[in-house]
Amino acid sequence: NAGVMQNPRHLVRRRGQEARLRCSPMKGHSHVYWYRQLPEEGLKFMVYLQKENIIDESGMPKERFSAEFPKEGPSILRIQQVVRGDSAAYFCASSNVGPPGNTIYFGEGSWLTVV
Amino acid sequence: KQEVTQIPAALSVPEGENLVLNCSFTDSAIYNLQWFRQDPGKGLTSLLLIQSSQREQTSGRLNASLDKSSGRSTLYIAASQPGDSATYLCGEGSGNTGKLIFGQGTTLQVKP
Repeated sequence: NAGVMQNPRHLVRRRGQEARLRCSPMKGHSHVYWYRQLPEEGLKFMVYLQKENIIDESGMPKERFSAEFPKEGPSILRIQQVVRGDSAAYFCASSNVGPPGNTIYFGEGSWLTVV
Repeated sequence: KQEVTQIPAALSVPEGENLVLNCSFTDSAIYNLQWFRQDPGKGLTSLLLIQSSQREQTSGRLNASLDKSSGRSTLYIAASQPGDSATYLCGEGSGNTGKLIFGQGTTLQVKP
């Protein structure tokens, strides 16, 4: 049973370009979470999705960031017009149930570098 | 504002020692608490999940406890090994949306 799969693992973008990060949850998991880990900062929640629905996006920046989890295919975190401050590790996680019994499993992360 | 604090920030111990990592949280309406380890350049590996109705969970040499009244969780590692060297993160499950609020982590070094 494969774990949470993220790609690309490393991505370099120039300022102003778009970054698309993909996440395939563990088999049988319908709950997906995105987190961001900035240099010298802790891990911060961004968004929580279930199939075709955004449940909680309280951690998403208001502009340039969007996330989706379509009925078919992986979850996508999209960052438009990237800036240097977007350089970070972006982690996807999944669970098979919601809280409180939701053990959350993380992927290996996508490292975004904006030059 | 919900906050999670981990003390100490870094810890170095000789192999074989038993040790305790601390996690404090401010949200009394905690749903669950999960402990993870993170190796450099890697994702998080889930270690233990404690639901709010539970007091502790054990897995091998690891034991995690939860005290909601004091807002604390501890991760106890018995007979530490060099392979335990990593950053340990606690994440508080707050609210019914499934999101975790993380502490800054404790970086553990176990010396052979």
